[in-house]
Amino acid sequence: EVMLVESGGGLVKPGGSLKLSCAASGFTFSSYTMSWVRQTPEKRLEWVATISSGGGNTYYPDSVKGRFTISRDNAKNNLYLQMSSLRSEDTALYYCARYSQFITTAKGFDYWGQGTTLTVSS
Amino acid sequence: NIMMTQSPSSLAVSAGEKVTMSCKSSQSVLYSSNQKNYLAWYQQKPGQSPKLLIYWASTRESGVPDRFTGSGSGTDFTLTISSVQAEDLAVYYCHQYLSSRTFGGGTKLEIK
Repeated sequence: EVMLVESGGGLVKPGGSLKLSCAASGFTFSSYTMSWVRQTPEKRLEWVATISSGGGNTYYPDSVKGRFTISRDNAKNNLYLQMSSLRSEDTALYYCARYSQFITTAKGFDYWGQGTTLTVSS
Repeated sequence: NIMMTQSPSSLAVSAGEKVTMSCKSSQSVLYSSNQKNYLAWYQQKPGQSPKLLIYWASTRESGVPDRFTGSGSGTDFTLTISSVQAEDLAVYYCHQYLSSRTFGGGTKLEIK
């Protein structure tokens, strides 16, 4: 059974930093592109970051580029999101999501974790 | 960036009724290499994570009941539930994954 378990959320002051983790199991983690997706308090879904299976390629939307860094440890089956210069608009439930092995067979995000909550507030 | 627009934002139907919801993209999401539309639909029930229902605009994910049908191509897409069940109470999101990744604002389905 595929499982994705996020951790590391919390309350952070504006300008602060935090690192989220996602523990993956039930599949060959090193074969899949992985992503972080967040859900705002208004329930809007926003893609935050993507990393290729080997970790050599990363992608971000402009809203977080330069502030967030996605990384992975394939030996430990873990995905990470380092967040810095946090803003109130980063407040959200952060999901770890499995994307795909190959672009031609991509289905979207086929598995999601339960999420971890980040609140940015003074 | 490709923008996704869903309508209606909410709807309420009785169990057994047919439901149709729309998703429009600001650009085509057709991937030329395989002629597939990179459009997915997710169901998010209260208190749960999103669940993949449909990918490539019309392919049902394994285990999804056949009352859920996706259709459309290019920029206009539809999710149809042929006979709504009480358990279908949820918010439904469309998502394009051709260029970057963007989601629609969701359609909230309520059961009368």
